[in-house]
Amino acid sequence: GAGVSQSPRYKVAKRGQDVALRCDPISGHVSLFWYQQALGQGPEFLTYFQNEAQLDKSGLPSDRFFAERPEGSVSTLKIQRTQQEDSAVYLCASSPHSRSSYGYTFGSGTRLTVV
Amino acid sequence: TQLLEQSPQFLSIQEGENLTVYCNSSSVFSSLQWYRQEPGEGPVLLVTVVTGGEVKKLKRLTFQFGDARKDSSLHITAAQPGDTGLYLCAGAKGTSGTYKYIFGTGTRLKVLA
Repeated sequence: GAGVSQSPRYKVAKRGQDVALRCDPISGHVSLFWYQQALGQGPEFLTYFQNEAQLDKSGLPSDRFFAERPEGSVSTLKIQRTQQEDSAVYLCASSPHSRSSYGYTFGSGTRLTVV
Repeated sequence: TQLLEQSPQFLSIQEGENLTVYCNSSSVFSSLQWYRQEPGEGPVLLVTVVTGGEVKKLKRLTFQFGDARKDSSLHITAAQPGDTGLYLCAGAKGTSGTYKYIFGTGTRLKVLA
């Protein structure tokens, strides 16, 4: 597609429920990133894929968070046993290169609310 | 952990005024980017600076990367209501093979007509 597509746009989950957030990057983009953005804050890094390889998952806040990109295109961020502190906007970004001098294209995000 | 501090945090100005937003860190970055984010949308890339001391201009926006590649500034001349938004700086950390951008705390700008 023309841009990075994320679904769903909004998700309300009951505490303890598992959720799956989907990211469709721009076709052919090598690098894919997940970020978490709390209200009024800058995005916080969660994890990074280069093709299907997860090269950095240092930002995942706990073992309840899991991300995958099995075929090097679509990625899914899964959160198990959601907690209220998981409420945030989850942003996906992709880049055509593996070099840091190229910028990201972000999706519009998934707003997760845990009640 | 926010390695990049932005100031001011909030800024409300009248149309036509000039402003400068600062992005500071004790860390060195291989490159630094500025983004603008509007409500309900993802950040949109404005510029990438790579070389220490580099200055880039984008219409009424001027971006500067510090000589030591630890800080940056964004200057807007004759601000317009369309400039309203959350401005984010982001520094690249890591090697060429694996990297990530660390985002700043953000500056929320409101330009009043």
